[in-house]
Amino acid sequence: QLQLQESGPGLVKPSETLSLTCTVSGGSFSSNTYYWGWLRQPPGKGLEWIGSFYYSGSTHYNPSLKSRITLSVDTSKNQFSLKMRSVTVADTAVYYCARQPRTYWFETWGQGTLVTVSS
Amino acid sequence: NFMLTQPHSVSESPGKTLTISCTGSGGSIASNYVQWYQQRPGSAPTTVIYEDSQRPSGVPDRFTGSIDSSFNSASLTISGLKPEDEADYYCQSYDGTNQGVFGGGTKVTVL
Repeated sequence: QLQLQESGPGLVKPSETLSLTCTVSGGSFSSNTYYWGWLRQPPGKGLEWIGSFYYSGSTHYNPSLKSRITLSVDTSKNQFSLKMRSVTVADTAVYYCARQPRTYWFETWGQGTLVTVSS
Repeated sequence: NFMLTQPHSVSESPGKTLTISCTGSGGSIASNYVQWYQQRPGSAPTTVIYEDSQRPSGVPDRFTGSIDSSFNSASLTISGLKPEDEADYYCQSYDGTNQGVFGGGTKVTVL
């Protein structure tokens, strides 16, 4: 059974960098079949796609966030990561990682982790 | 920019049929597949429909997805409504440059 688990600090100060990791278990992370993505949901609001990458290195970013985000992968640990620079209170949200069998479909989601941006 | 618009909320009685619309603007909704996700309070979203009308394994056939090109819209229909169907539902697609797009979500209340 595929599982994705987000981890990282729950509190980040304004202007600092948010760093999250998604650990994949119960499935083949190194397969070139899937994209892997990050999404977020501010409290009480809707879903927003952040960015996705393909195992071969192809990446797609939300244009509104592209200048502040970096996606990376550590295949030896079955993990992929998100870094978001210069955060503000508007970046407070539950952050999800997801597996994508196609670029357009977020098939399986992690449980999500709340990140609060506050001084 | 391609955008998806959903009604804020819909409600219906148990056993009845309910339909949620997802209207595209800034592009043709038929150009890229539409997915639907169910999100219960405090939980992560799960897929109920992918590629316009496909159901993942384990999703009951009470959930049906469709596309109406003439109205540039997608629909999720839930028949035989059950209390456990009460949740937020999001439609999602992609624009022509692989940018993920979500509708604002619809709160479904089973009266």
